[in-house]
Amino acid sequence: GAVVSQHPSRVICKSGTSVKIECRSLDFQATTMFWYRQFPKQSLMLMATSNEGSKATYEQGVEKDKFLINHASLTLSTLTVTSAHPEDSSFYICSARDLLGAMGTGYTFGSGTRLTVV
Amino acid sequence: LAKTTQPISMDSYEGQEVNITCSHNNIATNDYITWYQQFPSQGPRFIIQGYKTKVTNEVASLFIPADRKSSTLSLPRVSLSDTAVYYCLVDYRSGAGSYQLTFGKGTKLSVIP
Repeated sequence: GAVVSQHPSRVICKSGTSVKIECRSLDFQATTMFWYRQFPKQSLMLMATSNEGSKATYEQGVEKDKFLINHASLTLSTLTVTSAHPEDSSFYICSARDLLGAMGTGYTFGSGTRLTVV
Repeated sequence: LAKTTQPISMDSYEGQEVNITCSHNNIATNDYITWYQQFPSQGPRFIIQGYKTKVTNEVASLFIPADRKSSTLSLPRVSLSDTAVYYCLVDYRSGAGSYQLTFGKGTKLSVIP
């Protein structure tokens, strides 16, 4: 089945630094990928929609200058948390849809990245 | 997007059947019902999807009444490894393109030995 690889699985960074998270579709092409954020004991909240070759679409309240998204190829989207602060500590998850996939909706999620800003 | 309502939490003993019901009163004609499972510190994993009546796969069954305003995920004979959060989603299934999935609060299932 379709696989979405997310890296790193966990990262600790100092306040004020930037962190890049990669999301790759391993066996299918994804013109669109989605980035979610999940705080402890809460549900997934969509942050942005990443579009290959064009600008990402951000949800209301998500700072586009803080959460930079680059979708340069059909298999890779990156999320860079710039000037990270402790309140950015969260679990970040990406998702992509395998349009040719047969299972369910075709959406596959990455394994997530646990970001801790100290 | 149709809003979903699920119980916040459920407890069950090992070996029992668990039924989790989700309400989606304003489901649209083109909407499908999908359930995901999420373990701590992992991404959600697809369990089952349906449009109406009953769907069964190797891990679960999904019961959808005729009015489609609710659905019930049935997990047969749960084990400790089924302890997770289960999300019910209602989404428009388009043959082309991608659209965001909207997650509700989910149901935290705790399986007790």
